[in-house]
Amino acid sequence: NAGVTQTPKFRILKIGQSMTLQCTQDMNHNYMYWYRQDPGMGLKLIYYSVGAGITDKGEVPNGYNVSRSTTEDFPLRLELAAPSQTSVYFCASSPDRVNTGELFFGEGSRLTVL
Amino acid sequence: GENVEQHPSTLSVQEGDSAVIKCTYSDSASNYFPWYKQELGKGPQLIIDIRSNVGEKKDQRIAVTLNKTAKHFSLHITETQPEDSAVYFCAASIQRGKLIFGQGTELSVKP
Repeated sequence: NAGVTQTPKFRILKIGQSMTLQCTQDMNHNYMYWYRQDPGMGLKLIYYSVGAGITDKGEVPNGYNVSRSTTEDFPLRLELAAPSQTSVYFCASSPDRVNTGELFFGEGSRLTVL
Repeated sequence: GENVEQHPSTLSVQEGDSAVIKCTYSDSASNYFPWYKQELGKGPQLIIDIRSNVGEKKDQRIAVTLNKTAKHFSLHITETQPEDSAVYFCAASIQRGKLIFGQGTELSVKP
């Protein structure tokens, strides 16, 4: 059982470039999330989705976009990369609202913007 | 806005000793408090959670306590082992079903 799969695991971008972080889950979970993790700052919610076709902003959405065309996939798009977006990005999913059960995380994507 | 404060940021203990990590939260409506463990190079994994109608919950060597009046909750690990070394995150649910995470505690268990 693959769970939550993120690609790529590592990426270096130049300022102003664009890229998409891919996330797919095979657990048929309705809820999916994108977090970023910075040293000493914990995990900050970027965007989340409660089902296909529905997305909403989290704590730190600026500079990012998402889409949810299928239950399985939840890609995160960076349009104009900035050094402040250097971080480790985690995708997660849950079968229901977060206050009813576990979040299942992917292994992360480390992004460096130079 | 809503936030979760976690202390300490680093914690070093001898194998066999106990470890305690504390968190405070600001949203009085929070009703779900999970703890996640993150090993090096991995995503966080849920280790224990507690809901607002319970004061304490145990699972083998780990326990969590909740004081809703004071708006704080703690993780207790007894008889620590080297494999407990990891980063631990507390979290609290806020309105609209989102989770706010603490800053993390890096626990090191020395053999």
